[in-house]
Amino acid sequence: GAGVSQSPSNKVTEKGKDVELRCDPISGHTALYWYRQSLGQGLEFLIYFQGNSAPDKSGLPSDRFSAERTGGSVSTLTIQRTQQEDSAVYLCASSLEERVYRATETQYFGPGTRLLVL
Amino acid sequence: AQTVTQSQPEMSVQEAETVTLSCTYDTSESDYYLFWYKQPPSRQMILVIRQEAYKQQNATENRFSVNFQKAAKSFSLKISDSQLGDAAMYFCAYRSAAGTASKLTFGTGTRLQVTL
Repeated sequence: GAGVSQSPSNKVTEKGKDVELRCDPISGHTALYWYRQSLGQGLEFLIYFQGNSAPDKSGLPSDRFSAERTGGSVSTLTIQRTQQEDSAVYLCASSLEERVYRATETQYFGPGTRLLVL
Repeated sequence: AQTVTQSQPEMSVQEAETVTLSCTYDTSESDYYLFWYKQPPSRQMILVIRQEAYKQQNATENRFSVNFQKAAKSFSLKISDSQLGDAAMYFCAYRSAAGTASKLTFGTGTRLQVTL
């Protein structure tokens, strides 16, 4: 079946503009995650969604960042008033979490969106 | 909070040889998972291998194997018979097993170069 897809693949924007990044998880996966990878850095957790539970937003770096997941499937990460330090690769991952009290499943990643803020 | 440390920013191995990538982590939890992901220039993060902390046996996947030392909080990756296609960034990652879903905590990565 299809893997995790993300769009756009690359995005160039001007400082101060808003951007939206899209993630389509693997069909049926209940959990969806966003990570950010800055140049030369490891991956930094941003937010995750799991089923109908409230999202874990603990990794969002500022209130300019927000995300939503509609219908338990597609997710959009929005960055308002972009800054140059927002330039990074934004990676989305999904996993199938079926157990209530134990997170067991492997996260599968999309190809990422490379964001460049000029 | 959990932390993951990869102390080797770059490693090089000759084709057909064996290389070991190091990873240490810090946690107060007893139930967790550890992963090695590979990231080629295409940016796609690809799962290489995973280890459940409650299992004493080291995980293996074809040419890839780990040396999991729970007491030492060490999780190294051994790549045998290295191939040119193994050249990539390798990330070690930690994930708690608690709760319905949880984030991955990554190390800063090791860039592996494979030479002829």
